[in-house]
Amino acid sequence: ETGVTQTPRHLVMGMTNKKSLKCEQHLGHNAMYWYKQSAKKPLELMFVYNFKEQTENNSVPSRFSPECPNSSHLFLHLHTLQPEDSALYLCASSQDTPRGLKRSNSYEQYFGPGTRLTVT
Amino acid sequence: SQKIEQNSEALNIQEGKTATLTCNYTNYSPAYLQWYRQDPGRGPVFLLLIRENEKEKRKERLKVTFDTTLKQSLFHITASQPADSATYLCALLANQAGTALIFGKGTTLSVSS
Repeated sequence: ETGVTQTPRHLVMGMTNKKSLKCEQHLGHNAMYWYKQSAKKPLELMFVYNFKEQTENNSVPSRFSPECPNSSHLFLHLHTLQPEDSALYLCASSQDTPRGLKRSNSYEQYFGPGTRLTVT
Repeated sequence: SQKIEQNSEALNIQEGKTATLTCNYTNYSPAYLQWYRQDPGRGPVFLLLIRENEKEKRKERLKVTFDTTLKQSLFHITASQPADSATYLCALLANQAGTALIFGKGTTLSVSS
């Protein structure tokens, strides 16, 4: 186990549904991430949070809404999704994010097992 | 445009041989490069990191090299085993602004006994 858990592991939803993905990390890290992984494509970063503050939004459509109530929990709220949103959604955490003079510090990311989302 | 490419989508080798995976990048000035392993149905797991001023890093049967002139990193698994079969991802942190790792698509390694 990596210390990052995600629920649910599998989710099937219709285009009019609203659902939420949950991520929890038990590593004492300050940074958390949402990624989308589609077949034959690289991991796509969606959102970055550091100390509960969103530091990056990678031009993600508004039908994806993140929430980070504290440094250990991260949610991804989903509504009116499209079939092309079907993918594996991965959560990750790291001790910190590379910022300013700390860019040389290495912050490997610890990933959860992912939620396999199917939009019908 | 900025790109990070793992040239082989799939690599098949025999047990005991050395597997060499390639990661190339263009138009980035990397601070460091990381390699991850991903098994089916699981998230990636961090393996190794190499910085821009390092040529080589080793960890047990794993070796990573970094050539900033060629803009390339090579990932080697020596004495490969069937248990090494997985998808291997390279990820780069650019020196430019931003906190995001940029990932390649991955190379799926199959080691046959």
